[in-house]
Amino acid sequence: NAGVTQTPKFQVLKTGQSMTLQCAQDMNHEYMSWYRQDPGMGLRLIHYSVGAGITDQGEVPNGYNVSRSTTEDFPLRLLSAAPSQTSVYFCASSTSGGRVTDTQYFGPGTRLTVL
Amino acid sequence: ILNVEQSPQSLHVQEGDSTNFTCSFPSSNFYALHWYRWETAKSPEALFVMTLNGDEKKKGRISATLNTKEGYSYLYIKGSQPEDSATYLCAFRSNDYKLSFGAGTTVTVRA
Repeated sequence: NAGVTQTPKFQVLKTGQSMTLQCAQDMNHEYMSWYRQDPGMGLRLIHYSVGAGITDQGEVPNGYNVSRSTTEDFPLRLLSAAPSQTSVYFCASSTSGGRVTDTQYFGPGTRLTVL
Repeated sequence: ILNVEQSPQSLHVQEGDSTNFTCSFPSSNFYALHWYRWETAKSPEALFVMTLNGDEKKKGRISATLNTKEGYSYLYIKGSQPEDSATYLCAFRSNDYKLSFGAGTTVTVRA
């Protein structure tokens, strides 16, 4: 099992550019989510999905889009990058979003800088 | 947005000493409290999930307690070792299943 994989590990964008952060898991997890991590702040939920074809907004969804066409993949799209989106992005998955014992399995993170 | 606070933000402890730190969360709509360990250049990894008031969990030298009525959890490290250096995150799951993370407590163990 590769677990949760993310690509790329590092990315530099110019303001206004768009890009997609890739996330994949091979554990057949139903629940997948995207977080951003900024200095002095906790992990903040951007978007999440409880299964293929179903997505919903988290705490900080503006400027990001997601889709879930398969169980394995959950890409995060930045539509028009802004310096405020400079952050470390983590993808996570769990068996289900709602069971008490579910813990999140995190990917290695993508460090994004927007100039 | 659920208010999950961790204190202190960081602490330094001498090797062999014990330490503890706090996670505060809303006392209403409680479903579960998670602790994660996050080492530098790695991803967060699950330590404990606790659900019942008075729960205590232990993993090696690390243990945690839970008070859902007053909305706090303590994490203890007994006899700290350099490999315990990490950021420890707590996450509160409310009964609508949303998960909110605290900002973490960064522990540095000095040899």
